[in-house]
This record gives sequence, C-alpha cells and structure tokens, in this order.
Amino acid sequence: SQQGEEDPQALSIQEGENATMNCSYKTSINNLQWYRQNSGRGLVHLILIRSNEREKHSGRLRVTLDTSKKSSSLLITASRAADTASYFCATDAKSNFNKFYFGSGTKLNVKP
Amino acid sequence: EADIYQTPRYLVIGTGKKITLECSQTMGHDKMYWYQQDPGMELHLIHYSYGVNSTEKGDLSSESTVSRIRTEHFPLTLESARPSHTSQYLCASSAVLAPEQYFGPGTRLTVT
Repeated sequence: SQQGEEDPQALSIQEGENATMNCSYKTSINNLQWYRQNSGRGLVHLILIRSNEREKHSGRLRVTLDTSKKSSSLLITASRAADTASYFCATDAKSNFNKFYFGSGTKLNVKP
Repeated sequence: EADIYQTPRYLVIGTGKKITLECSQTMGHDKMYWYQQDPGMELHLIHYSYGVNSTEKGDLSSESTVSRIRTEHFPLTLESARPSHTSQYLCASSAVLAPEQYFGPGTRLTVT
C-alpha cells in the first residue's frame, strides 16, 4: 500500500531539545504533508513539501524530502510542552492526487 | 472565520440503529473526505468527494454511505450500526488545487 510509516512510534524529550521524526513511503508521490493531532482531536496541517523540493522551513519546523529513498523527516527545534501531540505524515499518489494516505504517527511528549 | 464542523462530537448508540454523522464546511472547498481512526492509530480513508454529486469509496471497506448534494455538506450514514463501527470519524476538506486538508474535530462513535 501507499501508506507512510513514521519512526519512531513514540518520542519523549525535554523542553528546549530538538525532536526529529521520520516518514517512509512506498510509491511515487506528488507531495508529502505533515499534520499534528492533539489528544485524538482533528488534525492540523503543518507543512507541505512537493516532490521537486528537498527542504522546507516554517517557523521552528524543518522538513526534508528524499524521493530516492522515499523518505521525509520533520525536525522541530527548541521544542515546547505545547508541541506534545501526535505527528502524522500524509502522501498522495502520482496516479491519484485526490487520495491521501496517512501513517500511524509519532507520539511526541515534551516534558517541561 | 472559515471552518469545518462535525456533529455530534460524541455518540453512543445500540446495535442495529441507523445514524448519520454530519459534516459541514464554510470554505467553499470542492473536495471532502471521511476518515476512520482508532485511538492512537493511523487514519483510513473511507469516502471522498470531488464535488457535488460525486462520491468515491476509499481504501477501507466500510458499511457506510455518503452523499454530496451541496458543496458545503458531506454527511456519512450507517444504515445498521455494529460494535465494529466503534471508532473516531474525521471529516476533512481541501481546495481543488491545494492539497492541504482542513479537519473537523471528529465524532467519537460507540456502538454497544
């Protein structure tokens, strides 16, 4: 299937540290997105990176994409307790950009 | 402010009941989606729509049906609820040329 797989499944860090989570996928994509979910609520879009881009920044977020390895990473710098949430990557498919596939997420816990 | 709404937020019903989960968005988005998510797990696409009178099934086999009579409204109906339908249901929308999805707060369904 197209689904992305996040790694690690869970991550616990101290406030102020950086958090890195990874996503791998299986087939060619048009773009890859990262979302955040707080306590089982709706997801919030964080950042999108297109298949012809290698790196993107948004505030304390940095996303990289390696299409040759079919992988992406999300870096959150100077983490805060409020960053505690689950983070999901979502990919579309070259053959059908209307459908999106979400991984199982990385649960991040930032300790104050 | 543009937003996406889901009602009810929580629902406990008995087996065999017919239920409709409501989803409405005020952003004028043509694309709308329904996902099913078990706690701490990945999202599974169950239905999506490109626009009025167009609906498609997702990858997760579902006993639910959807309709799209108006752009802003995308209800999901379970004709006969079963305990296996217990889950969280998330509705999302996106614009035609922008893949970022906006999610509602979700409906947490429990079938007893």
